[in-house]
Amino acid sequence: DVKVTQSSRYLVKRTGEKVFLECVQDMDHENMFWYRQDPGLGLRLIYFSYDVKMKEKGDIPEGYSVSREKKERFSLILESASTNQTSMYLCASSLLGGETQYFGPGTRLLVL
Amino acid sequence: GENVEQHPSTLSVQEGDSAVIKCTYSDSASNYFPWYKQELGKRPQLIIDIRSNVGEKKDQRIAVTLNKTAKHFSLHITETQPEDSAVYFCAASSGDSNYQLIWGAGTKLIIKP
Repeated sequence: DVKVTQSSRYLVKRTGEKVFLECVQDMDHENMFWYRQDPGLGLRLIYFSYDVKMKEKGDIPEGYSVSREKKERFSLILESASTNQTSMYLCASSLLGGETQYFGPGTRLLVL
Repeated sequence: GENVEQHPSTLSVQEGDSAVIKCTYSDSASNYFPWYKQELGKRPQLIIDIRSNVGEKKDQRIAVTLNKTAKHFSLHITETQPEDSAVYFCAASSGDSNYQLIWGAGTKLIIKP
């Protein structure tokens, strides 16, 4: 059974703070994704990675960066948090060449 | 860019009735179409998927149909039950990458008792 975990379920940060969101998967998946979920906008891809140290921009990468130093771990970094980054952040993983994505429980981030 | 349109955004049906959610995609290279269900406070989970070489797929009370010519696909839920209440997302594989998905905006399905 695929297990994807995220470091926090809820997070409250102040404007300008550096924020780290971490995702870990235990199924040796090559692909990992970070999405942002806002009501009425569905799932918007921020960044994805298909291998260690590899990353590609998604649809809304501005204000975010990512790090993948180990295969099982994919971090999302908000360099200087802003109020418009208040959202639900979902991590997902999939096998290389596999389309089914498995999601983590999400992190609800509030930036004050 | 390529996109997936999903309708309706909210659907309210009486318990026991059927529900249909429709999606239209723009990328003619898309060949994989999954549906995810997200219950309140939980993570999205795959409930059914279909590939472009198949026109219809069923799994108990849920079915998905695909019309490649018209570039649309639909989710059908029959004999709806309270536990079907959730947000449903459709997606289509990206022609640029065989592991990226293009997502619809979601449909909130409400089952009225």
